Amino acid sequence: SAVISQKPSRDICQRGTSLTIQCQVDSQVTMMFWYRQQPGQSLTLIATANQGSEATYESGFVIDKFPISRPNLTFSTLTVSNMSPEDSSIYLCSVGRTANTGELFFGEGSRLTVL
Amino acid sequence: AQSVTQPDIHITVSEGASLELRCNYSYGATPYLFWYVQSPGQGLQLLLKYFSGDTLVQGIKGFEAEFKRSQSSFNLRKPSVHWSDAAEYFCAVGANQAGTALIFGKGTTLSVSS
Repeated sequence: SAVISQKPSRDICQRGTSLTIQCQVDSQVTMMFWYRQQPGQSLTLIATANQGSEATYESGFVIDKFPISRPNLTFSTLTVSNMSPEDSSIYLCSVGRTANTGELFFGEGSRLTVL
Repeated sequence: AQSVTQPDIHITVSEGASLELRCNYSYGATPYLFWYVQSPGQGLQLLLKYFSGDTLVQGIKGFEAEFKRSQSSFNLRKPSVHWSDAAEYFCAVGANQAGTALIFGKGTTLSVSS
């Protein structure tokens, strides 16, 4: 299994500010995924991040609001820009291995509260 | 459209009783199917997965699930629930291809009563 570390684990932010979440994986992976889990809700895919190319965003998510970087095969960042209380969620980084059967491994998430 | 439906939002089971959590999916091809568990304040842990072969799959913590293609279902079962099983359970579906994103159901919250 993959070991995925996310920082910060939690934060309280002010409306209008931006926060960058870091995701570090213990081995090289081709694809990384960013999910959002709003309070009491399921996981919604924000975007897929491949190394060396721009992230692919799902419907309802845009690059200006959630810019993603993927500088190498073990690291990615997700920025939540110009935050509002509606952005209060858990943001989860996940990876899949090409050699496995399609399962994803998840970090423990970054819990953001926007005041 | 691809989707996962977990009909039960919240289930309460007595400790020692059996458990079945329902999951139905809509997918255009042969799917990969997964059950994840999320304990309070924790990340997601994979319980089990189905991708081919035997339709009854065994997972960790004594859980099993059965893939029924005719019913588009992948229900999770456990013969005897422990208090530590109280958590949120998510069913997920993905493409028959490694390294692709998964689509999650809305989750079922399991409470265990003594």
